[in-house]
Amino acid sequence: QQQVKQSPQSLIVQKGGISIINCAYENTAFDYFPWYQQFPGKGPALLIAIRPDVSEKKEGRFTISFNKSAKQFSLHIMDSQPGDSATYFCAAPHGNDMRFGAGTRLTVKP
Amino acid sequence: NAGVTQTPKFQVLKTGQSMTLQCAQDMNHEYMSWYRQDPGMGLRLIHYSVGAGITDQGEVPNGYNVSRSTTEDFPLRLLSAAPSQTSVYFCASSDSGLWGYTFGSGTRLTVV
Repeated sequence: QQQVKQSPQSLIVQKGGISIINCAYENTAFDYFPWYQQFPGKGPALLIAIRPDVSEKKEGRFTISFNKSAKQFSLHIMDSQPGDSATYFCAAPHGNDMRFGAGTRLTVKP
Repeated sequence: NAGVTQTPKFQVLKTGQSMTLQCAQDMNHEYMSWYRQDPGMGLRLIHYSVGAGITDQGEVPNGYNVSRSTTEDFPLRLLSAAPSQTSVYFCASSDSGLWGYTFGSGTRLTVV
């Protein structure tokens, strides 16, 4: 069963727009929430992660927002570019391992 | 650095055949894991290891075996392949448990 629920499954955004992907998780032993980016034919690569002693983390155009009481976190991509077109996965700790969401396929149209 | 190396990149098996997917990392990471990726299902954990000689099951371990005799290598064995095991398999490693996995480039397995 999926312990991490990710939405939407797919997303189409115009160049320059904002892409928003959401994740909800169940109970975790500790707080560490990463996002991974995957291009076709490649393995996922760590994009950005948050250890939520803060509610938000920003790296360039990418921002994680975290709501601990709601057990939700989201990825915002500002000024989305065609090169951002990829599949994005959120993840959350589950005991000694990491569980991933089902993924969001992002397409940024020029 | 090579990072995480998976071999082979592609494989076609007949139902009932056995094979081993290889995974090697050169970063001296203690933590290694195997995931399978299926459309609409995301990445599902098969098995993981927190160090040489220590392995444990993930979400979908049935039909797969692992062992960890060295820090560098973490092979995944399919004892009797089934069409349901058709998938893309990823190996990942980390130097400190759950932080910042490094993934390999994957093995695309088809069982006919």
